[in-house]
Amino acid sequence: AQTVTQSQPEMSVQEAETVTLSCTYDTSESDYYLFWYKQPPSRQMILVIRQEAYKQQNATENRFSVNFQKAAKSFSLKISDSQLGDAAMYFCAYNKFYFGSGTKLNVKP
Amino acid sequence: NAGVTQTPKFRVLKTGQSMTLLCAQDMNHEYMYWYRQDPGMGLRLIHYSVGEGTTAKGEVPDGYNVSRLKKQNFLLGLESAAPSQTSVYFCASSYSKPWSGSGELFFGEGSRLTVL
Repeated sequence: AQTVTQSQPEMSVQEAETVTLSCTYDTSESDYYLFWYKQPPSRQMILVIRQEAYKQQNATENRFSVNFQKAAKSFSLKISDSQLGDAAMYFCAYNKFYFGSGTKLNVKP
Repeated sequence: NAGVTQTPKFRVLKTGQSMTLLCAQDMNHEYMYWYRQDPGMGLRLIHYSVGEGTTAKGEVPDGYNVSRLKKQNFLLGLESAAPSQTSVYFCASSYSKPWSGSGELFFGEGSRLTVL
């Protein structure tokens, strides 16, 4: 069975700095999608970024980018120029089925 | 746009009581899901549906039943609630298949269920 592991339960970053959230997964499939979701205190889950396993190029969405290492089964999220509104729980997901346990990101002013 | 709507938002039950959570989506999505979220465990898939009239078990299906009589609605039922079912429940929908596809999940706001 596929598993998704987020080894950092909580992280802190200073406003305007860069932070990287880690995610590893286990699968025997060759094609799949990976997602990062954000859950602010309002509880509403929203998509941050997605990556298809067949694509070599790392996905980027404005200040958010990923470092996808397929062989290492690693999918980390980098947030540049952190803003107060980035404070939230972040979940890594494999397809629609498997989620990591989440990383709580604190942003210090 | 309503998106995905869950009712009720909060509910307190006594052990052994039954209840149904309703999920409605207005995006004409084929696929719908129920997850539970517990502290330190992320989201775990309970059941999902690949179309009207079809459902399938997820990772943690025991103690729950589901029905998808209409494309836009996905119901999650607890026949005999247990304290272990205290959780926050999320419904979601997608236009792409559960096991593949680039489409993301669209989530409801969650329903907090407490079983005493």
